[in-house]
Amino acid sequence: AQKITQTQPGMFVQEKEAVTLDCTYDTSDPSYGLFWYKQPSSGEMIFLIYQGSYDQQNATEGRYSLNFQKARKSANLVISASQLGDSAMYFCAMSAPSNTGNQFYFGTGTSLTVIP
Amino acid sequence: EAGVVQSPRYKIIEKKQPVAFWCNPISGHNTLYWYLQNLGQGPELLIRYENEEAVDDSQLPKDRFSAERLKGVDSTLKIQPAELGDSAVYLCASSVTSGSSYEQYFGPGTRLTVT
Repeated sequence: AQKITQTQPGMFVQEKEAVTLDCTYDTSDPSYGLFWYKQPSSGEMIFLIYQGSYDQQNATEGRYSLNFQKARKSANLVISASQLGDSAMYFCAMSAPSNTGNQFYFGTGTSLTVIP
Repeated sequence: EAGVVQSPRYKIIEKKQPVAFWCNPISGHNTLYWYLQNLGQGPELLIRYENEEAVDDSQLPKDRFSAERLKGVDSTLKIQPAELGDSAVYLCASSVTSGSSYEQYFGPGTRLTVT
């Protein structure tokens, strides 16, 4: 069963506007972590933000914030004041227990294009 | 602090040839991951090491793929023989441990082209 679902293959946003990238997850374990990564065309995966399943507040890191809705099992990434350099692939990921220890599950990604 | 180092960055080989990729994780990171990433897809785990022990290799095609992390530091991933379908980016990542609150740090990847 797919653990991480990203339903937006591609998104466009005007420079300086905010954009939300959707992510839903599936786990029955109460302890898990949610992550967002950025992958520019250069190929390197860059860690952006982390949300723990027990965290009461939404995580924020600069222009990035994670809209964590536990009951809906969603962990959407919000990028405020988009910049041209934000154009990249964005991957949502979850770390959750498996029979071999914590396993990392990645979504299929969303391609974000920032329009000048 | 140096990041995850991978080499080579690019490799072109003919099918049926062997190929090896090398990864040096961030110092002090006990957990090391090898991923395969196809174009337009998310990374897929091949193998995870806790120190020198391969704790999850269930997705590693063991008929042609092998990996080692002998001293619990750097690691090598090998394909022998390579097939056309192995063309992809091979990513190495490391984390302090594999606990659910620990992010992974990725290397730049090795882009493999099999002709």
